[in-house]
Amino acid sequence: DGGITQSPKYLFRKEGQNVTLSCEQNLNHDAMYWYRQDPGQGLRLIYYSQIVNDFQKGDIAEGYSVSREKKESFPLTVTSAQKNPTAFYLCASRAGQGNRETQYFGPGTRLLVL
Amino acid sequence: AQSVTQLGSHVSVSEGALVLLRCNYSSSVPPYLFWYVQYPNQGLQLLLKYTTGATLVKGINGFEAEFKKSETSFHLTKPSAHMSDAAEYFCAVSDYYSGTYKYIFGTGTRLKVLA
Repeated sequence: DGGITQSPKYLFRKEGQNVTLSCEQNLNHDAMYWYRQDPGQGLRLIYYSQIVNDFQKGDIAEGYSVSREKKESFPLTVTSAQKNPTAFYLCASRAGQGNRETQYFGPGTRLLVL
Repeated sequence: AQSVTQLGSHVSVSEGALVLLRCNYSSSVPPYLFWYVQYPNQGLQLLLKYTTGATLVKGINGFEAEFKKSETSFHLTKPSAHMSDAAEYFCAVSDYYSGTYKYIFGTGTRLKVLA
């Protein structure tokens, strides 16, 4: 089955610690995205990547970092600089161009601070 | 910049009643519009989308939405609510910016279905 996987489902972070959220897709999509979801605020874009070895900041990139070394993988690191990391994190990939384009989402990772 | 407004953060309907979830957008060009559904602690699942062509769009699970350019609206409807429809629904518009499509999401509407 093709799809997007995110791991872990739950992640706990201690103060001052960096943590990495995994996102893998086997859909052969070029573009991938990371969103943060907080109650009542919808989804906010953290980073996106249109192609391997290239990525751009989204609306709330401060305190986060990403890499895109492989087409299938787009890991997100939540650094110690992110002072309020508790949220639900969603990874997505995009299929198609123009009127055929659609984003597909992974199941999410919930990050909690100890 | 484009924006999306979903009226009503919480909507309750009785089982079997009409579901109407409202979405208005701001856009200077014809947009691509989407509705997604999210069940608790899960990712978003695409319900339907409008790109071009017919303004009444049918999606999965009996949902449909109508693009009304004059009203800048893309409201989601379902004739008869089922208990399994209880979830959070997000409207989104696709914004082509800096060489890529980015989605602008509304803040979501949580649908409660009463027995």
